Amino acid sequence: QSALTQPASVSGSPGQSITISCTGTSSDVGGYNHVSWYQHHPGKAPKLMIYDINNRPSGVSNRFSGSKSGNTASLTISGLQAEDEADYYCSSYRSDSTVVFGGGTKLTVL
Amino acid sequence: QLQLQESGPGLVKPSETLSLTCTVSGGSISSSSYYWGWIRQPPGKGLEWIGNIYYSGSTYYNPSLKSRVTISVDTSKNQFSLKLSSVTAADTAVYYCAVPSGYYYHWFDPWGQGILVTVSS
Repeated sequence: QSALTQPASVSGSPGQSITISCTGTSSDVGGYNHVSWYQHHPGKAPKLMIYDINNRPSGVSNRFSGSKSGNTASLTISGLQAEDEADYYCSSYRSDSTVVFGGGTKLTVL
Repeated sequence: QLQLQESGPGLVKPSETLSLTCTVSGGSISSSSYYWGWIRQPPGKGLEWIGNIYYSGSTYYNPSLKSRVTISVDTSKNQFSLKLSSVTAADTAVYYCAVPSGYYYHWFDPWGQGILVTVSS
């Protein structure tokens, strides 16, 4: 069982927006602005999409955005495209000086 | 631009030691700018942080694995390594090396492609 809770799957049609949630506790997501999101196409290296809640690394589309409210962080993908179909993982710094991850969410583009 | 590649045995026997290497290209492992890390993903499960190391040798391990984990740096080969002792089937996973960044070295970019290690007799 992963430390952070994500929905197992979400889906959306091309052009739509979807949101993936990531729920933790006050010791991790709620206590720090250090939530990150990763995109993973099976067989490839995971890719950092968002760091520190809502920061995009260079080269990541502005269709990807992040937010946080209380103990829950969210990743929103707008203007959904076929290439966005992948697994998405959240992570957070935790008060015991570790990094914890979510169980992953499979995004299907219909 | 940093690139990472994991290597090592894909099959390890129970009770033995898992040993993996991550080869770094596009930058020096001795650079004071970087930490280096390992993360794993058991089949069908989420990601698990294993630990980080600084080029000087300072290490930070997941408490749940600390008693069995050793991460080290080989500056002569521009590589860093993971050793996990007394493995069981629960250690079967895809193992990734990655570059930790951020205030607490809490986000990872880039990652290697990963290597599947199966623990079985």
